Amino acid sequence: QSVLTQPPSVSAAPGQKVSISCSGSTSNIGNNYVSWYQQLPGTAPKLLIYDNYKRPSGIPDRFSASKSGTSATLDITGLQTGDEADYYCETWDSSLGAVLFGGGTQLAVL
Amino acid sequence: QVQLVESGGGVVQPGRSLRLSCEASGFTFRNYGMHWVRQAPGKGLEWVADIWNDGNNKYYGDSVEGRFTISRDNSKNTLYLQMNSLRAEDTAVYYCARDDLNLGNAMDVWGQGTTVTVSS
Repeated sequence: QSVLTQPPSVSAAPGQKVSISCSGSTSNIGNNYVSWYQQLPGTAPKLLIYDNYKRPSGIPDRFSASKSGTSATLDITGLQTGDEADYYCETWDSSLGAVLFGGGTQLAVL
Repeated sequence: QVQLVESGGGVVQPGRSLRLSCEASGFTFRNYGMHWVRQAPGKGLEWVADIWNDGNNKYYGDSVEGRFTISRDNSKNTLYLQMNSLRAEDTAVYYCARDDLNLGNAMDVWGQGTTVTVSS
């Protein structure tokens, strides 16, 4: 059971929008930056979002994120079949003194 | 180009030891903190350990504390993970990742991973 809670799976049709939530607490999401990673099948994770909502260069603006209180959300618009992957939120937990990953969310583009 | 290459994985018996390496290239290694992250078969990502750029501060996940040691040699641009008293539940793909302070300590560069299998 992860300290950061994500839905195990989400799905949507091509071209649609999907949102992936990440719920935590004041010791982690509430007081620290959140990052999001995409892991395509059989590959290493890739940074999608840092500092709660910022995109590294090369990440399309179809990917956006936000944070409110102790929860964070990743939004993906204009879904493509190539977006099918596992998505993970990540942050630091000040009480545990540890990096935390969410349990991951598998995205299906139907 | 910026690259991380892990090595050292393999099949090892429970209770034995293994050392993983992660060789960095394309950036100034000594300026960055580094992480080890693992992924058990069919499971999610689990943070293992991290080390500051100068090697003076290290942090560990609860599941490996006291058994694993993270270290680095900035003269060789290499990160290490010494794994002792290995257990079946340590079976995973182990990734090294760069920590970028300018990106809110996000892990912005990842290696391809090296597989560790703990089995008798």
